[in-house]
Amino acid sequence: GAVVSQHPSRVICKSGTSVKIECRSLDFQATTMFWYRQFPKQSLMLMATSNEGSKATYEQGVEKDKFLINHASLTLSTLTVTSAHPEDSSFYICSARWGASTDTQYFGPGTRLTVL
Amino acid sequence: GNSVTQMEGPVTLSEEAFLTINCTYTATGYPSLFWYVQYPGEGLQLLLKATKADDKGSNKGFEATYRKETTSFHLEKGSVQVSDSAVYFCALHLSGGSYIPTFGRGTSLIVHP
Repeated sequence: GAVVSQHPSRVICKSGTSVKIECRSLDFQATTMFWYRQFPKQSLMLMATSNEGSKATYEQGVEKDKFLINHASLTLSTLTVTSAHPEDSSFYICSARWGASTDTQYFGPGTRLTVL
Repeated sequence: GNSVTQMEGPVTLSEEAFLTINCTYTATGYPSLFWYVQYPGEGLQLLLKATKADDKGSNKGFEATYRKETTSFHLEKGSVQVSDSAVYFCALHLSGGSYIPTFGRGTSLIVHP
C-alpha cells in the first residue's frame, strides 16, 4: 500500500521554541493531507485539512497562528508548532489521500512532541 | 454530531483465543464504517470497512458487520495471534461528505503466546 512518512518521529524542545514536523507521501501524489492530534488514551482529533497550493482549513478551536500548516507540494506538508508550551505536548499524526472523492487515507507513523 | 464509542482496553488474550472489540456509533445520515489498526511504531492502516447496513467487512481473518438496528460495528476474529497485538480504531464518515473520519479512542489488544 501507499507509504506516508513523518519526520521527526520524536522531538523534545524547550518552551517558547518552534518545532516543524514534516509529512511526506513517498509513492503517490497527495492532493489532500490531514493533521491529527492524539492525546493518551483518546481518539485522533482532526486539527486541519490542507490541499496542495491553498491555505489549510482548520477545525474549530485550533489556533491557526499557533499551528502553521504548509502544503507546498503534492508530496510534502509541514506542521509548525510555534512558541510551543508544555500543553502542546502530544502525538501528532498526518495522513494523505489523492482525489476528493475517495475515503482511503494513508497515515504516517506519528510524531511524539514533548515540550519542557 | 457524529461520535464513535469503543470498549476500553487493553484487551489481553492468549494466542488462538476469540476476539471481540465492541464499537457503537451515533451519526446523522448514513455513515460508512471502518476499522483501522496501528501496529507499534507504525501509522494507522485501514483494516476493513462497510458502507451500508448488513454489509460485512473482512480482512486478515478479522470481520465486522454493519448493524444499523444496534448502531454497531463490532470487530471479531476467531483465533488471534501474537502478531495481532496493536491498537484498533473504529471510525465513521458520512457518505457524500468530506470523507474525514470520526475516530473512536482506540482499543489496545495484547496477545500472549
